[in-house]
Amino acid sequence: EVQLVQSEAEVKKPGESLRISCKASGYNFRFYYITWVRQMPGKGLEWVGRIDPSASYTNYSPSLQGHITISADKSIDTAYLQWSSLRASDSAIYYCTRHPLPEVRVNNRAFDYWGPGTLVTVSS
Amino acid sequence: DIQMTQSPSTLSASVGDRVTITCRASQSVLTWLAWYQQKPGKPPRLLIYQVSNLESGVPSRFSGNGSGTEFTLTISGLQPDDFATYYCQQYKSLFYTFGQGTKLEIK
Repeated sequence: EVQLVQSEAEVKKPGESLRISCKASGYNFRFYYITWVRQMPGKGLEWVGRIDPSASYTNYSPSLQGHITISADKSIDTAYLQWSSLRASDSAIYYCTRHPLPEVRVNNRAFDYWGPGTLVTVSS
Repeated sequence: DIQMTQSPSTLSASVGDRVTITCRASQSVLTWLAWYQQKPGKPPRLLIYQVSNLESGVPSRFSGNGSGTEFTLTISGLQPDDFATYYCQQYKSLFYTFGQGTKLEIK
């Protein structure tokens, strides 16, 4: 069974650092991108960025480039989203989800499995 | 970036009704269009991929249609469990943008 298990909720102050995690199981981690999607309070879904776990190639939303870092540890099938200096505007639920790499031959190329989300609250 | 616009933003309907949500893309996404359902406190759930393909386990009362820049999600015979927020998403181009969401409410 495919599962994406995310780390617990975090409460931080502006300027602090944070790393949240997404542990995958039930499939070959190297064959699927891990994408992070955020949902600010009461708002819609926003694509944050993604990583190709096999090669650690990353892509970021232009509005967040330079502010976040996405990484992955293939040895433990885990992806990470991290900030070195949080802002109040980073407060949101962050979901991890997966979709197949181009070389994977599957019919469904959409985001088929999602983690439960990690609530990040940044407040002084 | 490809912009996705859904209409309406809110839809009031009754159990048993047939409803349609529209999603328009700012440029062609071919058939790389998905629909998700989200309930409060839960992650999104994939309903439909590549315009009209039902994800496993999704009831057949859900259907999708369209191509290029205009797409629809139709729910035939609304059930109490269907009242939720629905999002379209293009996955043709990087940044994989979502629509702003349509909240389906009980009338």
